[in-house]
Amino acid sequence: AQTVTQSQPEMSVQEAETVTLSCTYDTSESDYYLFWYKQPPSRQMILVIRQEAYKQQNATENRFSVNFQKAAKSFSLKISDSQLGDAAMYFCAYRALIQGAQKLVFGQGTRLTINP
Amino acid sequence: GAVVSQHPSWVICKSGTSVKIECRSLDFQATTMFWYRQFPKQSLMLMATSNEGSKATYEQGVEKDKFLINHASLTLSTLTVTSAHPEDSSFYICSARDAVGGASGPLHFGNGTRLTVT
Repeated sequence: AQTVTQSQPEMSVQEAETVTLSCTYDTSESDYYLFWYKQPPSRQMILVIRQEAYKQQNATENRFSVNFQKAAKSFSLKISDSQLGDAAMYFCAYRALIQGAQKLVFGQGTRLTINP
Repeated sequence: GAVVSQHPSWVICKSGTSVKIECRSLDFQATTMFWYRQFPKQSLMLMATSNEGSKATYEQGVEKDKFLINHASLTLSTLTVTSAHPEDSSFYICSARDAVGGASGPLHFGNGTRLTVT
């Protein structure tokens, strides 16, 4: 079964510092996508960054970057120059063809606090 | 950008009644929509996959007769919680896959519906 594990229920970082959120996943598929979503208190799911498994190059989006280690099945998110607005729940997600259908499976989430 | 409208955003109902939640893709067509449930401080759990013009596919453990899903058009899917009970109180979120891009099309999320059953 495909699973996504986020081992850090909570993380905190000083404003302007860098923080890394961890994510591991388990799959036997070779073609899949990985995502990081942000869920602020409004509970709107916001896509932060996306990585295609077939791409070796790590995805980056401004202050957000990932460290994708396919062999280790690891997909961590690095947030540089943390800002107060980055405070939210962050969910790692895996998307692939599962039992004949494209499905998105989420990890447990990491609550990120930014200290001013 | 692509917008998914979910309505209502908040609903309170009495135990035993039914509640319908709508998920609309406003500026794109969605052949597939997904319904998630999120308990407080927990992750999103996929309940079912809704396919336009066909029956929904439910995840293991989700009662089909309790959570009725209808996907009658390319822009609308509905989730009806039938005979609601307090344990059904939760946050329900839909996501819609843009038909452009096929099975790998981007997913867009609604703002969610907070259901409270008294």
